[in-house]
Amino acid sequence: EVQLVESGGTLVQPGGSLRLSCAVSGFTVSGNYMSWVRQAPGRGLEWVSVIYDDGSTYYTDSVTGRFTISRDNSMNTLYLQMNSLRREDTAVYYCARRSQPSGSLDIWGQGTMVTVSS
Amino acid sequence: DIQLTQSPPSLSASVGDRVTFTCRASQYISSYLSWYQQKPGKAPQLLIYDTSSLQSGVPSRFRGGGSGTDFTLTITSLQPEDFATYYCQQSYSAPTFGQGTKVEVK
Repeated sequence: EVQLVESGGTLVQPGGSLRLSCAVSGFTVSGNYMSWVRQAPGRGLEWVSVIYDDGSTYYTDSVTGRFTISRDNSMNTLYLQMNSLRREDTAVYYCARRSQPSGSLDIWGQGTMVTVSS
Repeated sequence: DIQLTQSPPSLSASVGDRVTFTCRASQYISSYLSWYQQKPGKAPQLLIYDTSSLQSGVPSRFRGGGSGTDFTLTITSLQPEDFATYYCQQSYSAPTFGQGTKVEVK
């Protein structure tokens, strides 16, 4: 069964760090483009980051230098390391598979909530 | 970044209605446009990719169209399970989403 399961979301203080995980089943993270997308409470969707099958990584401007996307091929798991967290990073974080060549996000996890607050 | 503007922000409709909403890109994006449906508390679900291709398992009442900078999503006969928020997304460059159109019960 194809499935993405995120974990790691919690309450964290401003300036803190957190690592999100996305356990993948049914396909390999190494052979696909994998993305993180977030949604602040009551707001729309915002693309955060992508890692390509060749390992190239890209980020939206607001998280560049603070967030790092990575993967563990042996665990078939995607990660998002989040440092220097700000209140505006508060959101539900989804991992998703990016289908090629269309670039659409065809498989999504259920999301994990990150709250940045003191 | 390419901006996507969806209209209207919300609309009220009844079961059986034909509804159409639009997504306008701030610059040319070819056919790299997808549509998603999201229900409260749930992850988005892909409906349409490449402007008009129906994702596997999605009912045929969902139809996408357009090209270049102007795109549409039409639901030919609204069903009770279609009341949700719909987002467009471009993948011509760094992905961006529209702000969404919420379909509500009239």
